[in-house]
Amino acid sequence: SQTIHQWPATLVQPVGSPLSLECTVEGTSNPNLYWYRQAAGRGLQLLFYSVGIGQISSEVPQNLSASRPQDRQFILSSKKLLLSDSGFYLCAWTLDTNQPQHFGDGTRLSIL
Amino acid sequence: QKEVEQNSGPLSVPEGAIASLNCTYSDRGSQSFFWYRQYSGKSPELIMFIYSNGDKEDGRFTAQLNKASQYVSLLIRDSQPSDSATYLCAIKTSYDKVIFGPGTSLSVIP
Repeated sequence: SQTIHQWPATLVQPVGSPLSLECTVEGTSNPNLYWYRQAAGRGLQLLFYSVGIGQISSEVPQNLSASRPQDRQFILSSKKLLLSDSGFYLCAWTLDTNQPQHFGDGTRLSIL
Repeated sequence: QKEVEQNSGPLSVPEGAIASLNCTYSDRGSQSFFWYRQYSGKSPELIMFIYSNGDKEDGRFTAQLNKASQYVSLLIRDSQPSDSATYLCAIKTSYDKVIFGPGTSLSVIP
């Protein structure tokens, strides 16, 4: 069966520091991968999605970037974090946009 | 008009009652419809998906889709306190994007 892993579960970072969040999927090949952010009490905001290695689509202009160096690995990065980057970051996968997305456990990011 | 709309709630129902959660969407060509449950501090988990008009039942959950009226509903029968969560509607649009609604908060009162 397929599983998705995200780490770390929680992260506290100072303003201006770099960021790297990692997501990996097991048990499937060539998944569509997604990064979302959820602010406290708010809905899901799609940040990036990828349909294959090296293919990244950005939904919202900001100081974040994403990379997909391997088929089942998706990385969210920032060179300099802002206070507004605080939130709950979720990675998700699906094999087909007609199929449901499945989410990892998320990373709660706090910026001080 | 927002692409996917849900009442933010909170929706409060007594234990054992039927909870009815609604979602409307703007893209008439939308094809796939998903319901997720999200407990506070946790990630969304899939409850059901529906593709065709009508009802689809899974245990205590029933999804209802009406494409002509552009709404999809989730009914929870015999509501339990453990059903207290935020319910997210997600819709795959005709332009191949999945859009999540803002969610409805449900509180089941013992």
